Amino acid sequence: EAGVAQSPRYKIIEKRQSVAFWCNPISGHATLYWYQQILGQGPKLLIQFQNNGVVDDSQLPKDRFSAERLKGVDSTLKIQPAKLEDSAVYLCASRVAGAGGNEQFFGPGTRLTVL
Amino acid sequence: EDKVVQSPLSLVVHEGDTVTLNCSYEVTNFRSLLWYKQEKKAPTFLFMLTSSGIEKKSGRLSSILDKKELFSILNITATQTGDSAVYLCAVEFPGNQFYFGTGTSLTVIP
Repeated sequence: EAGVAQSPRYKIIEKRQSVAFWCNPISGHATLYWYQQILGQGPKLLIQFQNNGVVDDSQLPKDRFSAERLKGVDSTLKIQPAKLEDSAVYLCASRVAGAGGNEQFFGPGTRLTVL
Repeated sequence: EDKVVQSPLSLVVHEGDTVTLNCSYEVTNFRSLLWYKQEKKAPTFLFMLTSSGIEKKSGRLSSILDKKELFSILNITATQTGDSAVYLCAVEFPGNQFYFGTGTSLTVIP
């Protein structure tokens, strides 16, 4: 079974620039998560989708971050404009929808460096 | 605010030692608790615990959940250098959201 795909793997930008990350979840997984992991910290949930609808985006800095999952499969996360403190690894994860009891599977992550 | 707290933050042991990693959580509701191992890449799944008092075991790793006292432990026996990693604990809430602790960084030296 193919895993969660993410691209790019690495990105270096200057502050105030824009950047976008892409995620393709495991086929059939209706739930998709974006996490931000700052060095030395655990992953922090940014947004959760169920199919193409947003379930939780309470920790997403909406003044600069946006995410979409238009067709309920692939998802993109955008930062515009980027700040130095956005330097982190952005992890995408997916899981089978429905009741708890199913683990989430992580992609390899995108390491963002903002200079 | 609900939160997940892991201890210790870091640990250095010698090969062959046994380690116990702790995860406590303060939640108003709870569905499951998960342990992940993270090396220099994405977290990989270790255990999911939903029932109190039932130990999950995989080789040298084992984990148990105490729902009454709101904590879980992850044990690693006969540690090896390949066990060096950050171990993350995550709690799943009813809306299928996961909240992670800051992790315990384990270093196993030969």
